[in-house]
Amino acid sequence: GAVVSQHPSRVICKSGTSVKIECRSLDFQATTMFWYRQFPKQSLMLMATSNEGSKATYEQGVEKDKFLINHASLTLSTLTVTSAHPEDSSFYICSAQTAGLLGEKLFFGSGTQLSVL
Amino acid sequence: SQELEQSPQSLIVQEGKNLTINCTSSKTLYGLYWYKQKYGEGLIFLMMLQKGGEEKSHEKITAKLDEKKQQSSLHITASQPSHAGIYLCGADEGGSEKLVFGKGTKLTVNP
Repeated sequence: GAVVSQHPSRVICKSGTSVKIECRSLDFQATTMFWYRQFPKQSLMLMATSNEGSKATYEQGVEKDKFLINHASLTLSTLTVTSAHPEDSSFYICSAQTAGLLGEKLFFGSGTQLSVL
Repeated sequence: SQELEQSPQSLIVQEGKNLTINCTSSKTLYGLYWYKQKYGEGLIFLMMLQKGGEEKSHEKITAKLDEKKQQSSLHITASQPSHAGIYLCGADEGGSEKLVFGKGTKLTVNP
């Protein structure tokens, strides 16, 4: 099946710094990728839709200047958490859209646990 | 927007027991996806259902979508510790690429 690689898997940073998370489709091209955020014991909340070569589409309530998304190639989308604060600590996970053999159309990365001190 | 309610929120069963997890939508489901997740890790795709009345099985897991396409169930037969995790249902928002997820069901299987 399609493989999506997400890096880093875990990051700890100081308040005020910026953190970049990468999401790569390894064996397919993804024109559309999605970024989710998940708090403990909560479901995945869609943050934004990342489209290759164009601006990302953000969900209501998500600050686009806070969470910068770049999808410069068909295999790479990045999420940068700018000026991170403790309330940004969360689990971030990306997914890439492609047709799967079993009917799935999204393949997920393994996620990034962000801890802001 | 579409909302998905999952029940129960958590479930503890003894190894070997059967169990069912439900996912109910406020709107008609165009596509219903079941995933398994261990918190802090990625999602593992289990099954996708699209047609009313559809049922799919893989190993000891069976998923069904009701005729009205507003409710789905995930049934695990003879549960094992390896089945433990968080089960999430996700649905198409009116046929778009976006998936909306339920809050998940945390399953614990005691040996």
